[in-house]
Amino acid sequence: DTAVSQTPKYLVTQMGNDKSIKCEQNLGHDTMYWYKQDSKKFLKIMFSYNNKELIINETVPNRFSPKSPDKAHLNLHINSLELGDSAVYFCASSRSESRRSGANVLTFGAGSRLTVL
Amino acid sequence: DQQVKQNSPSLSVQEGRISILNCDYTNSMFDYFLWYKKYPAEGPTFLISISSIKDKNEDGRFTVFLNKSAKHLSLHIVPSQPGDSAVYFCVSTNAGKSTFGDGTTLTVKP
Repeated sequence: DTAVSQTPKYLVTQMGNDKSIKCEQNLGHDTMYWYKQDSKKFLKIMFSYNNKELIINETVPNRFSPKSPDKAHLNLHINSLELGDSAVYFCASSRSESRRSGANVLTFGAGSRLTVL
Repeated sequence: DQQVKQNSPSLSVQEGRISILNCDYTNSMFDYFLWYKKYPAEGPTFLISISSIKDKNEDGRFTVFLNKSAKHLSLHIVPSQPGDSAVYFCVSTNAGKSTFGDGTTLTVKP
């Protein structure tokens, strides 16, 4: 049973379209994240939610809008897709106790590869 | 401003030998350091961590060393196995925010 699952795994779309990536975790964690891995393989944090509340919002274009309907789900919606949005997007989760006073170990999903043509 | 750097993009070692992966950081406020391993088409998975108040942590074949004065940490894998072939990310955390290095691809040859 997958701990952090993302859908879709692959997404190919045209510039200008709007798309969403969904993420669900069944670990009982209360903090969820979106990371972007670009062509240079850097993993950069985009957003983090704790119990449905946004706690980290890095410098990300406002075309990207995260939505957390409950603490087990964090979806990423991207408007007006651009070529530079092509990347692998990873969802992750952790326990808020470890985030506040520990090593904050993240559990990652398998990634969603987005290709914008 | 890259706060966590892994200067070796790749490393190749023979099975049974020691693999040493290095990482340098700039932010002295980092409180924990972690290593993640990533196989192709999978997400990173946690391997081992160390608190900034320690200088060594060992877990089986994996040992992480921290040199705070040099702002340097390293991961030792001994003995290396072909299944260890993966991308290894060094991660530093501060107040729960994780900063990733750009990864080192380790290849262990049989």
